[in-house]
Amino acid sequence: AQKVTQAQTEISVVEKEDVTLDCVYETRDTTYYLFWYKQPPSGELVFLIRRNSFDEQNEISGRYSWNFQKSTSSFNFTITASQVVDSAVYFCALREGGYGGATNKLIFGTGTLLAVQP
Amino acid sequence: DARVTQTPRDKVTEMGQEVTMRCQPILGHNTVFWYRQTMMQGLELLAYFRNRAPLDDSGMPKDRFSAEMPDATLATLKIQPSEPRDSAVYFCASGRQGWGAYSNQPQHFGDGTRLSIL
Repeated sequence: AQKVTQAQTEISVVEKEDVTLDCVYETRDTTYYLFWYKQPPSGELVFLIRRNSFDEQNEISGRYSWNFQKSTSSFNFTITASQVVDSAVYFCALREGGYGGATNKLIFGTGTLLAVQP
Repeated sequence: DARVTQTPRDKVTEMGQEVTMRCQPILGHNTVFWYRQTMMQGLELLAYFRNRAPLDDSGMPKDRFSAEMPDATLATLKIQPSEPRDSAVYFCASGRQGWGAYSNQPQHFGDGTRLSIL
């Protein structure tokens, strides 16, 4: 069965601090895809980043970086020099590769509420 | 940037009334998803379509919910009769799914319909 766990319910930091959001996933598939979405107070869900299971290179994009560790089934997301506008709920999501066609279902974690204080 | 469009943004109605939510997917996306978000259950997949054909609606209460895609530019989610427990935010998402180069594409979400059943 596939599952996504975000153990951190809420995180509060002061502006300019770095913050890491944890995500642990479970899947039996060898091919799968991982995503991070952001949900600001206005309510929309915004796609941030994705990762393929077969590509373990970690990347940095502006203030965002992510650490994909297949050995520990983790896909952590870091914001450096946090800003008030980063305050939102962040969701980690998993999609299995499937057989006979991508299954396409996204399984979401329960989300982490990030509050960045000025 | 192209966006998924959902209407209405907010809906308040009385128990027993029919509710229809509409979604216009991003042009060129062949898969449409309906999700529901509540505090208790988080983000749940209700149903999804690929190339307008329903693939999975196992997450949807069959007795009162129905999802259709009358054409490639419109997906609908209906609740009849509505109940207070249906109060939630309903998200539509679209994506370009399939094998190969499309297999890791993200789903893009609309702004959601905030439904309150009194």
